[in-house]
Amino acid sequence: DAGVTQSPTHLIKTRGQQVTLRCSPKSGHDTVSWYQQALGQGPQFIFQYYEEEERQRGNFPDRFSGHQFPNYSSELNVNALLLGDSALYLCASSLATGGRWETQYFGPGTRLLVL
Amino acid sequence: DAKTTQPPSMDCAEGRAANLPCNHSTISGNEYVYWYRQIHSQGPQYIIHGLKNNETNEMASLIITEDRKSSTLILPHATLRDTAVYYCIVRGFNKFYFGSGTKLNVKP
Repeated sequence: DAGVTQSPTHLIKTRGQQVTLRCSPKSGHDTVSWYQQALGQGPQFIFQYYEEEERQRGNFPDRFSGHQFPNYSSELNVNALLLGDSALYLCASSLATGGRWETQYFGPGTRLLVL
Repeated sequence: DAKTTQPPSMDCAEGRAANLPCNHSTISGNEYVYWYRQIHSQGPQYIIHGLKNNETNEMASLIITEDRKSSTLILPHATLRDTAVYYCIVRGFNKFYFGSGTKLNVKP
């Protein structure tokens, strides 16, 4: 049973560029959430996708956008990169059951460095 | 979303029980308490969760006070591989709020 996978594992970009990160959820899961984790801090919730729509959003600017595909995989896009966007980006998947979302399982993350 | 308070760090001797406390005094009646751990910048690993009753699985036990304002994660026989940052989370509506967690150092 494949767990949550993310690609790429590492990425280096320069300020002003755009980046796309990808996530495949755990088998059987239909919901994907994205988190940003700066060095030394806990993960911060960015947004969540279910049924190909953004359902909830944390306190992040609209430079951060996403997409969910019919196979439940997801992409996180960040435009106009800033130095402060350097972080570990985590994807978590879960299953929606009767209006509730079950336990989230995390992928290994993508380490983004903005120079 | 209810916030949590955890000590920044704790030490534990290998083979002994590790008891990690968490305060969540503003928790609502339908909010779950979740515990995750993160080893050296890997993705957080799910440990256990509960609503009111104490819970146990192969990894740990979760003790929730009767008023639900605090909880304790118990690793019964800590090993060096349990060294990690442990996050106590109160799950709001489908959104996890991570605090700063507790860095558990298991020492030989």
